[in-house]
Amino acid sequence: SSELTQDPAVSVALGQTVRITCQGDSLRSYYASWYQQKPGQAPVLVIYGKNNRPSGIPDRFSGSSSGNTASLTITGAQAEDEADYYCNSRDSSGNLVVFGGGTKLTVL
Amino acid sequence: EVQLVESGGGLVQPGGSLRLSCAASGFTFSTYEMNWVRQAPGKGLEWVSYISSSGSTIYYADSVKGRFTISRDNAKNSLYLQMNSLRAEDTAVYYCARDTHSTDYGDYYFDYWGQGTLVTVSS
Repeated sequence: SSELTQDPAVSVALGQTVRITCQGDSLRSYYASWYQQKPGQAPVLVIYGKNNRPSGIPDRFSGSSSGNTASLTITGAQAEDEADYYCNSRDSSGNLVVFGGGTKLTVL
Repeated sequence: EVQLVESGGGLVQPGGSLRLSCAASGFTFSTYEMNWVRQAPGKGLEWVSYISSSGSTIYYADSVKGRFTISRDNAKNSLYLQMNSLRAEDTAVYYCARDTHSTDYGDYYFDYWGQGTLVTVSS
């Protein structure tokens, strides 16, 4: 399969913890990476590999994976975390790239 | 500082052509794989095409195969996307993104993105 599935929308209370998931067969072989996109802006990498954060990404962002599911967790969500989040990986062949449909995170 | 700057977007009629460019700076462009990713208005991200560092390996999404051509000029630190036979559904912001992988098997990610260029296909 060359698809990654995400919940369309998730909400979290300010300061609470939220998990955003991404499911797909390719995730059994390839890590997911996660991107944050705010309105009118380009996507920004927030998590890659087993659980790595690029420089400048707060440590409240973390990643994990089990079987065909990858997860992005925000521990202590802040108002500025409200955004769309996308996962991606290589497809099962390793040649093509696939993105999840995105999850709109609302911080209440 | 790594920078990716896209250009070449605009309004084009259905069936027309357009060539996008992505100017790279702040890193050794010739050693990195690159991609084009697009985003239709109000929609999610869609991968379009990949090119290896030397340009010898290329892949396309089914939605653009046979109509779009990715290329690069390492001497000019530039990535290109030639888009032919454009359709209304190709209307999107087009981003170039740098492809990176770690030493861990299966660990690939897009670590830098440009700001995008808007392509509108309409009569």
